[in-house]
Amino acid sequence: DADVTQTPRNRITKTGKRIMLECSQTKGHDRMYWYRQDPGLGLQLIYYSFDVKDINKGEISDGYSVSRQAQAKFSLSLESAIPNQTALYFCATSDSWRQYFGPGTRLTVL
Amino acid sequence: ELKVEQNPLFLSMQEGKNYTIYCNYSTTSDRLYWYRQDPGKSLESLFVLLSNGAVKQEGRLMASLDTKARLSTLHITAAVHDLSATYFCAVPWEGGSEKLVFGKGTKLTVNP
Repeated sequence: DADVTQTPRNRITKTGKRIMLECSQTKGHDRMYWYRQDPGLGLQLIYYSFDVKDINKGEISDGYSVSRQAQAKFSLSLESAIPNQTALYFCATSDSWRQYFGPGTRLTVL
Repeated sequence: ELKVEQNPLFLSMQEGKNYTIYCNYSTTSDRLYWYRQDPGKSLESLFVLLSNGAVKQEGRLMASLDTKARLSTLHITAAVHDLSATYFCAVPWEGGSEKLVFGKGTKLTVNP
């Protein structure tokens, strides 16, 4: 079984809708991250959490919010989706040495 | 602001040839990561370089880090088709942290 899972894997939604992307991990890591990837670009950090009570904004947090429900779960919400939020979203966890990425969620906002 | 630049962004090479991908970054860091991404897939960790002069090798790939020059290289030896992928370097956003700033990636295509 995968150590980092994301649901859904694909989502098509309409402008103005609220959506939630979920991430779960079985690695036992405290640190979790949300990134977005646009074509031709690297990954950009949206939010990160170093433990359940610690949540921080990344490079591009506007238009997004997160919830850390437990050590193993970190959710990303788009309060009112807009077309330029169409992207590939990755969740990741980390130990002291490296980050481990989930399979990604492909989000399309029409 | 930390900037991470990779070049080239696109690389097409023949099997059996050698080539180097470069990763420059703009602020001091003693750590650098290389990742591989296959089309439509997630990122796979390749190398973690933790100090100046660090060199790591796995198969046909070798990565090195020069913190004084703020430069890392990913060298490909005798390329094979299976190495076709996009390669990203990433540098911690703040010293000693795991918040990463990624380069734009180098899309490598190895032709028979």
